Amino acid sequence: DARVTQTPRHKVTEMGQEVTMRCQPILGHNTVFWYRQTMMQGLELLAYFRNRAPLDDSGMPKDRFSAEMPDATLATLKIQPSEPRDSAVYFCASGPLKGEQYFGPGTRLTVT
Amino acid sequence: KNEVEQSPQNLTAQEGEFITINCSYSVGISALHWLQQHPGGGIVSLFMLSSGKKKHGRLIATINIQEKHSSLHITASHPRDSAVYICAAPSFSGGGADGLTFGKGTHLIIQP
Repeated sequence: DARVTQTPRHKVTEMGQEVTMRCQPILGHNTVFWYRQTMMQGLELLAYFRNRAPLDDSGMPKDRFSAEMPDATLATLKIQPSEPRDSAVYFCASGPLKGEQYFGPGTRLTVT
Repeated sequence: KNEVEQSPQNLTAQEGEFITINCSYSVGISALHWLQQHPGGGIVSLFMLSSGKKKHGRLIATINIQEKHSSLHITASHPRDSAVYICAAPSFSGGGADGLTFGKGTHLIIQP
């Protein structure tokens, strides 16, 4: 049963530290998304890739967030430096072109 | 950019009742998504539909592209249906496998 995997599942860090979240999309899916969920804002799109090329990262704070796909089996989301307002659940999702999106279990980030 | 509105925000019903959740969006799209988020936090795609109606078990989703409106129905509701149901549409017109804009979600509780 193919699934999107994300690591770590939970991360607690201090303000100013670098945080890296990883996602392994479902094999064969050519589109990968990063979303963030907070109580206040709900689910928001941060960035997405197609065939490893970034298509839209307008939802990300550019000064501290970066997203990459070093290869087809790995997507990363990095925050440097982290701030308390970055505390949220970060979801990765993958999907085929013009198809449903399959969500990973999420990384719960707490920045103190 | 698309704006997605859902109603109601909260819904409590008795087991067996017929449930309807509504979703409207502002920009013409090629397909709309219905997602389910359980108390544990995982997000599952229920439907992706571009016209008419889709049915999966006791769940039915309909969409009216001209009116930019979709509904999710649950027949013979059961306590295990208790979850947050989220409507999502591509952020920009004509988007298929594009980043999504989400509604705020409908928190559904089915009481035995």
